Amino acid sequence: IAGITQAPTSQILAAGRRMTLRCTQDMRHNAMYWYRQDLGLGLRLIHYSNTAGTTGKGEVPDGYSVSRANTDDFPLTLASAVPSQTSVYFCASSPGPGDGELFFGEGSRLTVL
Amino acid sequence: SQQGEEDPQALSIQEGENATMNCSYKTSINNLQWYRQNSGRGLVHLILIRSNEREKHSGRLRVTLDTSKKSSSLLITASRAADTASYFCATDPNTGFQKLVFGTGTRLLVSP
Repeated sequence: IAGITQAPTSQILAAGRRMTLRCTQDMRHNAMYWYRQDLGLGLRLIHYSNTAGTTGKGEVPDGYSVSRANTDDFPLTLASAVPSQTSVYFCASSPGPGDGELFFGEGSRLTVL
Repeated sequence: SQQGEEDPQALSIQEGENATMNCSYKTSINNLQWYRQNSGRGLVHLILIRSNEREKHSGRLRVTLDTSKKSSSLLITASRAADTASYFCATDPNTGFQKLVFGTGTRLLVSP
């Protein structure tokens, strides 16, 4: 059972480049989320989707975009990376649409130089 | 803005001792959840307590919730070295669709 798969695991990126972080789940969960984790700041919500075809903005959405073409995939795109986007990015899902536990991927560590 | 703040930021204990972590939050909530994160790994859900519940148990875990004080505590009894991890509380601010807001975490070190 894979759960949530994120790719890449780690990436170093030049500022100004475009980058897409991939997230796939095999649990048929309705809700999916992208968080970033920075030292001392905990996890902050970037974007979310409560069902295929819909997305919403979280606490820190600027510089990021998402799409939800189907239930399983929820890619996060940085159109033009900046050093402040250096972080560890976590994708998560939950059965939704109500409350319940989140299932997390193992994270993607992104360094923007 | 952080909804939850954990206290202490770091905790170091010996195996067999109990570990208590506290979480305070700012707004009304639908539920509060606790997660664990081992170094370099993703978060793993531990327990969920709803706003109308006051205490919940799961194995060696005991969670309490005081909505009047906007606070929660996580107690790990008889700690083991394998409990070494960071622990986060997360609140659902009751906006209709669950969007968990995480605190900054407590780093727990359990020494053999």
